Amino acid sequence: AQSVTQLGSHVSVSEGALVLLRCNYSSSVPPYLFWYVQYPNQGLQLLLKYTTGATLVKGINGFEAEFKKSETSFHLTKPSAHMSDAAEYFCAVAGSARQLTFGSGTQLTVLP
Amino acid sequence: EAQVTQNPRYLITVTGKKLTVTCSQNMNHEYMSWYRQDPGLGLRQIYYSMNVEVTDKGDVPEGYKVSRKEKRNFPLILESPSPNQTSLYFCASSFRTEANGYTFGSGTRLTVV
Repeated sequence: AQSVTQLGSHVSVSEGALVLLRCNYSSSVPPYLFWYVQYPNQGLQLLLKYTTGATLVKGINGFEAEFKKSETSFHLTKPSAHMSDAAEYFCAVAGSARQLTFGSGTQLTVLP
Repeated sequence: EAQVTQNPRYLITVTGKKLTVTCSQNMNHEYMSWYRQDPGLGLRQIYYSMNVEVTDKGDVPEGYKVSRKEKRNFPLILESPSPNQTSLYFCASSFRTEANGYTFGSGTRLTVV
């Protein structure tokens, strides 16, 4: 079985501040890990993914995430938040069957 | 432009009236899937298809049907909709496996009264 836990359903940061969205997973095999972003009234867009190799993964819009096997985590970060980053963010894991399981999402608010 | 197209974007219907939400992709992807999104629950998979004529149940298949007669199309059918199927629905496709990452449609907001 596999699962994803996103800590914090709502996160608020000031414009220019560090963005940190937390994701922990469980998987019986080395997982594939994803972050998706959903802007209002739109579908989900792939931000970045980890499959194998380098554990620090860079994505679009200045986001990056680090796979930490010992902590079973895949937290999403961005050094400086922009107003346009306000959206809902979903972490997802693909385990042994390589089928995706999504977390419940984190709504990011960016304050001026 | 590579995309997944869903129709309609918005739909209000009455309990028991059969409906179909269409989904089409132009990327020649083998894998297609339907999800529903509800507040606080994230995305839950309804059905998926690994290729033409190959479909399987996801986590919440009750009350839904799908078919995959052509590679590009994957319609979602609600034979007798009920109010608990009021939700935001997404179709998605990926190359060969889910692990390659999905391309999502823009969503269909369904209200059943």
